[in-house]
Amino acid sequence: GQNIDQPTEMTATEGAIVQINCTYQTSGFNGLFWYQQHAGEAPTFLSYNVLDGLEEKGRFSSFLSRSKGYSYLLLKELQMKDSASYLCAVRDSNYQLIWGAGTKLIIKP
Amino acid sequence: IAGITQAPTSQILAAGRRMTLRCTQDMRHNAMYWYRQDLGLGLRLIHYSNTAGTTGKGEVPDGYSVSRANTDDFPLTLASAVPSQTSVYFCASSDSVSGGGQDTQYFGPGTRLTVL
Repeated sequence: GQNIDQPTEMTATEGAIVQINCTYQTSGFNGLFWYQQHAGEAPTFLSYNVLDGLEEKGRFSSFLSRSKGYSYLLLKELQMKDSASYLCAVRDSNYQLIWGAGTKLIIKP
Repeated sequence: IAGITQAPTSQILAAGRRMTLRCTQDMRHNAMYWYRQDLGLGLRLIHYSNTAGTTGKGEVPDGYSVSRANTDDFPLTLASAVPSQTSVYFCASSDSVSGGGQDTQYFGPGTRLTVL
């Protein structure tokens, strides 16, 4: 079967750095997405990786290793507004997105 | 309208009743999707449409039906609601499905449905 694994919850301190990991086993690979979802709101797109390596976008970076079935989202200079769930999703061979359950990130002052 | 809208925002429904969740996008995207989101689970695809006039089944299609008469609208119908269909429903759209490239999905604000 297809599987996306992420930690259920993480806690970090305002101003610090946090890394959220995602491992996947899917039938085929056509890209990996990270989304942010604040409580009670819709998921919003953060980043996309299709080739190995690091993609940087301001305070957020995302890394992909296709051979290891592994990605991480790195958030720097954490702000209180970064408290949210972070969803990892992989596009499979049928071009459908397979979603992880999400990682709830709690930021403490 | 900017992006994707969904209606209603929330609904409490008696079991056995019929319900249609509405979704409209103004981005002229080809593909549209319906997901449900339940606590502790990832988003699960119910139905999708690659282009107007076509639909397909996702991971959890039973008890749901969709239609895609035009590019903008993609309603989801529960013919006879059951309590296990209590969930948050998200509609999404993307520019293309199998054309390759990033093809990011953009989400509507969601409908919170409770079936009693």
